[in-house]
Amino acid sequence: AQSVTQLDSQVPVFEEAPVELRCNYSSSVSVYLFWYVQYPNQGLQLLLKYLSGSTLVESINGFEAEFNKSQTSFHLRKPSVHISDTAEYFCAVSERDSSYKLIFGSGTRLLVRP
Amino acid sequence: DTGVSQDPRHKITKRGQNVTFRCDPISEHNRLYWYRQTLGQGPEFLTYFQNEAQLEKSRLLSDRFSAERPKGSFSTLEIQRTEQGDSAMYLCASTMGQGHSPLHFGNGTRLTVT
Repeated sequence: AQSVTQLDSQVPVFEEAPVELRCNYSSSVSVYLFWYVQYPNQGLQLLLKYLSGSTLVESINGFEAEFNKSQTSFHLRKPSVHISDTAEYFCAVSERDSSYKLIFGSGTRLLVRP
Repeated sequence: DTGVSQDPRHKITKRGQNVTFRCDPISEHNRLYWYRQTLGQGPEFLTYFQNEAQLEKSRLLSDRFSAERPKGSFSTLEIQRTEQGDSAMYLCASTMGQGHSPLHFGNGTRLTVT
């Protein structure tokens, strides 16, 4: 069975500082990996995904994540955060089967302070 | 693309009552998923449909829970004889189901069982 671990429940950072949100997964088969973001009072939105190919994937708003198979990790990074990045971030994994269902981590709340 | 719509946004019910939630996916999406999210946790997979067929149910989905998707369009999730432990946010998501196209989530129905 798959599982996702997000060890940090909350990460406070100052504006313009770099940030890393950690994600580790467990699975006995090959997986797809995702980061979803939930802004206050909004639904979950896909931030970025790794399906195959380059292990470094990027989002349009400056986030990036790197798939590390040996460490079973998919950490999310941003070199300089903005106040508007304050949100809940969820890492998710999906087995390469026909259901495409996502298994989510417990989430990390990113709190950007001025 | 009007997005995934869920109704109602909030539902307060007394223990033992039955409740039903509705999800209207994006019109051309053939896959529909139900998730449950409790405070401080990530979404937990409940069940999914491809068109009108319910293809997988989580062990979290007890006999009191039933989901339908007649005609492969909207879906309903019914909880019979609600318990306080059923209090959660119920999320619906849909996707085209081609390869790993992203899930589009609704804003959820928040259920409070008193």
